[in-house]
Amino acid sequence: DGGITQSPKYLFRKEGQNVTLSCEQNLNHDAMYWYRQDPGQGLRLIYYSQIVNDFQKGDIAEGYSVSREKKESFPLTVTSAQKNPTAFYLCASKGQVNQPQHFGDGTRLSIL
Amino acid sequence: RKEVEQDPGPFNVPEGATVAFNCTYSNSASQSFFWYRQDCRKEPKLLMSVYSSGNEDGRFTAQLNRASQYISLLIRDSKLSDSATYLCVVSHSGNTPLVFGKGTRLSVIA
Repeated sequence: DGGITQSPKYLFRKEGQNVTLSCEQNLNHDAMYWYRQDPGQGLRLIYYSQIVNDFQKGDIAEGYSVSREKKESFPLTVTSAQKNPTAFYLCASKGQVNQPQHFGDGTRLSIL
Repeated sequence: RKEVEQDPGPFNVPEGATVAFNCTYSNSASQSFFWYRQDCRKEPKLLMSVYSSGNEDGRFTAQLNRASQYISLLIRDSKLSDSATYLCVVSHSGNTPLVFGKGTRLSVIA
């Protein structure tokens, strides 16, 4: 089945630790996105990539990093510089222009 | 002014009721419009695209007014399973990220 796979579903981070969230898609989509959602809040854009080997900061990029070495993959690293990482992280992809985005089922990150 | 504004609700309605959600957007260059549905602790899922001429999908009707920069979603004959948060979403151009409203929460009560 075609889709977007995020892993792990739940992740715990210790103080001072970097963690990486995985996002893989087999939809052959060029564009991929990372969002953060806090309880009762809307989605906030962290980073996005419109093409392989290129990415741009979103509204809340500080404390995060990404890479886009392959079309299928857009991992997000939550660094120790992100002081409040507890949130629901959503990855999305989009194919043709002006089409909707499709989301993975998310990763819940908590601090130990 | 926020790019996409929605009434946060919650809207509490009885089963069978008709409920309407409104949304305004600030960027007149916006090109594409969508409604997403998000269940509690789940990812957003596309409910329907919104076309200039208005469009219907079963009990759901979406309308767009470009002159007023206004989008609406009408749900007829509400079901308990319609309880969710409804997100108004706007696209500017190309593959630039979609802009999401904060959502309107709907609770359908038996």
